[in-house]
Amino acid sequence: GAGVSQSPRYKVTKRGQDVALRCDPISGHVSLYWYRQALGQGPEFLTYFNYEAQQDKSGLPNDRFSAERPEGSISTLTIQRTEQRDSAMYRCASSLVTIGLAAYEQYFGPGTRLTVT
Amino acid sequence: GEDVEQSLFLSVREGDSSVINCTYTDSSSTYLYWYKQEPGAGLQLLTYIFSNMDMKQDQRLTVLLNKKDKHLSLRIADTQTGDSAIYFCASWRTDKLIFGTGTRLQVFP
Repeated sequence: GAGVSQSPRYKVTKRGQDVALRCDPISGHVSLYWYRQALGQGPEFLTYFNYEAQQDKSGLPNDRFSAERPEGSISTLTIQRTEQRDSAMYRCASSLVTIGLAAYEQYFGPGTRLTVT
Repeated sequence: GEDVEQSLFLSVREGDSSVINCTYTDSSSTYLYWYKQEPGAGLQLLTYIFSNMDMKQDQRLTVLLNKKDKHLSLRIADTQTGDSAIYFCASWRTDKLIFGTGTRLQVFP
């Protein structure tokens, strides 16, 4: 079946502009996670949702970053007034359930490569 | 702390076994994972192990966990060129994955 999809795959923006990154989880998956991966590093947690409720946003670096998942499916990560240090790969993952063994299986999308010039 | 550490690079000959190592600091990690990252692709979940297990085998993959030493390893038997990728170790902490920096595996003929 279809996996996690993200769009755009590549985004180049000028410093100070706002960007919106989209994640479409695997159909039926209730939990959705956002991670950021700098070059040469592993992914770092940003935030996650169960259904439409944001459960943990402790990883968001500052208040320029926000995320929403209004209908419990597609999610958008928004970065306002982008800065060069925001350049990274932004990855989305989903899992089927919130409890039980399957809750621990996260499936990742291909990511959005953001470059801020 | 929530550190997960890996060696950066491993080079093996095709057909040999590869062993990728990982250490973690958080003793309350309930699950430990191995993900594979190929260029242009997402992170692929390879396997994971519950913290009360010490070994898990899945075809060519064997995961060993030494909980006392907080050491995790991934052994790939009969390594193929298609196994060339970056391998990430990760631990489950509360409600998120904590990743290591990744080990780049290069397989040469």
